[in-house]
Amino acid sequence: NAGVMQNPRHLVRRRGQEARLRCSPMKGHSHVYWYRQLPEEGLKFMVYLQKENIIDESGMPKERFSAEFPKEGPSILRIQQVVRGDSAAYFCASSLAGQGSYEQYFGPGTRLTVT
Amino acid sequence: AQSVAQPEDQVNVAEGNPLTVKCTYSVSGNPYLFWYVQYPNRGLQFLLKYITGDNLVKGSYGFEAEFNKSQTSFHLKKPSALVSDSALYFCAVRDGNNAGNMLTFGGGTRLMVKP
Repeated sequence: NAGVMQNPRHLVRRRGQEARLRCSPMKGHSHVYWYRQLPEEGLKFMVYLQKENIIDESGMPKERFSAEFPKEGPSILRIQQVVRGDSAAYFCASSLAGQGSYEQYFGPGTRLTVT
Repeated sequence: AQSVAQPEDQVNVAEGNPLTVKCTYSVSGNPYLFWYVQYPNRGLQFLLKYITGDNLVKGSYGFEAEFNKSQTSFHLKKPSALVSDSALYFCAVRDGNNAGNMLTFGGGTRLMVKP
C-alpha cells in the first residue's frame, strides 16, 4: 500500500520562475494538506483541500501561491514568480477523513531551492 | 488560537536510559494531540495520538506519551533509548471541536542518543 507520494523530491528554480509541486495522497484518502518547513523549524500549515474544494487556505500567502486538488490526478501546489524566501521543504499530508481523530500521513517532501 | 510549545531545542540521552521530550499546548476546545518523528531528509512519521480515554498512550517503536490536562502537557517518553531513536520530534495539536482539522506543530526537539 503506497504512502503519500510527492514529486519532484528536489526542485531548483531561478527567481521569477514558477514552481509546481505534486502530491498523490494515500489510497482511499480524499483529504490533502500542504505544509511548509523552513530549516530547523516546525511545519506551518498552508492549505487544506478535498477533491475540487479548498476547505481552509488560512495559511497560504495572499499572492503568488495557489493550490488545487482536481477530481482526477494529484494535488498541485503552485508558486508563481518564486523568490529566495520561498526556499523551503514543502510537505503534503493526507487523511482518511477531515473530521474527528484521524491522523495525517506525510509524504517525503519537496525541497525547493530558489537561486 | 491554538499553539504548541516544545521548550527544549535538543535533548541528549545515553543509550539504554529513559528519555522524555516535553510538549505543552494551548487550545480552546478539546485537545487532539499527536507526536511525529522526522529523520533527515524525510517526511514526518506518525508515532501516537491522544484523543480521549486513558491518559497514557502507547505508540510505535516503544514510545508512549502522557496526557496531563491540568498541566496542558503531552510529554513523549521511552523507557530505554536506542541510538536509532536520534531524530527530530514534533508535537502537534488540533482543536477537536473545530471541524477544520488544522494541525498546529511545535518547533521540534532534536533527540540525540549517544552509545
